[in-house]
Amino acid sequence: LAKTTQPISMDSYEGQEVNITCSHNNIATNDYITWYQQFPSQGPRFIIQGYKTKVTNEVASLFIPADRKSSTLSLPRVSLSDTAVYYCLVSAWGDSSYKLIFGSGTRLLVRP
Amino acid sequence: NAGVTQTPKFQVLKTGQSMTLQCAQDMNHNSMYWYRQDPGMGLRLIYYSASEGTTDKGEVPNGYNVSRLNKREFSLRLESAAPSQTSVYFCASKYSGPYEQYFGPGTRLTVT
Repeated sequence: LAKTTQPISMDSYEGQEVNITCSHNNIATNDYITWYQQFPSQGPRFIIQGYKTKVTNEVASLFIPADRKSSTLSLPRVSLSDTAVYYCLVSAWGDSSYKLIFGSGTRLLVRP
Repeated sequence: NAGVTQTPKFQVLKTGQSMTLQCAQDMNHNSMYWYRQDPGMGLRLIYYSASEGTTDKGEVPNGYNVSRLNKREFSLRLESAAPSQTSVYFCASKYSGPYEQYFGPGTRLTVT
């Protein structure tokens, strides 16, 4: 069971790049890594997903080293609206949903 | 598309009362999930349904039952509510395989 560990909180300023690292030492061969964002009183929203190396989309990048024991979500030039909780999720290719463990997440506060 | 809808948005129950939380999705997803989120905590999986006609326990199934009524609908029932079940409940759905989950807006349940 690939449990994840993330920092509890992070602070940043508008315009800076923010990197949030997630540790998943017991990740299995068929596990993939997904990051979600959650605002207060809302359901989580998908940000990015990857299996290995680097993935980039219009809002973020995901860096996964070769051993896949950790991953880093990179948010370029954050704004106040990026203040939220960010969850790292490790889950299997199939629907082995017992592995859908969110953890406590990282609370990101972006200051003016 | 409405995405994932949940009813009701808010509910207050007395200890011992029963109720059913409703969830529906219009994205033709195979898999559906029920989570609970306690204040300041991450999401915990209660039950999931990998496909129509199947359901399985997640991390915290005690005190709950589910029904996958059809491909669109997945309900969560509390037979005898307890104060420990005070939480925000989120429903989610996704396609089978390594795809992101789409979350509903949540139901805020208080048991007194």
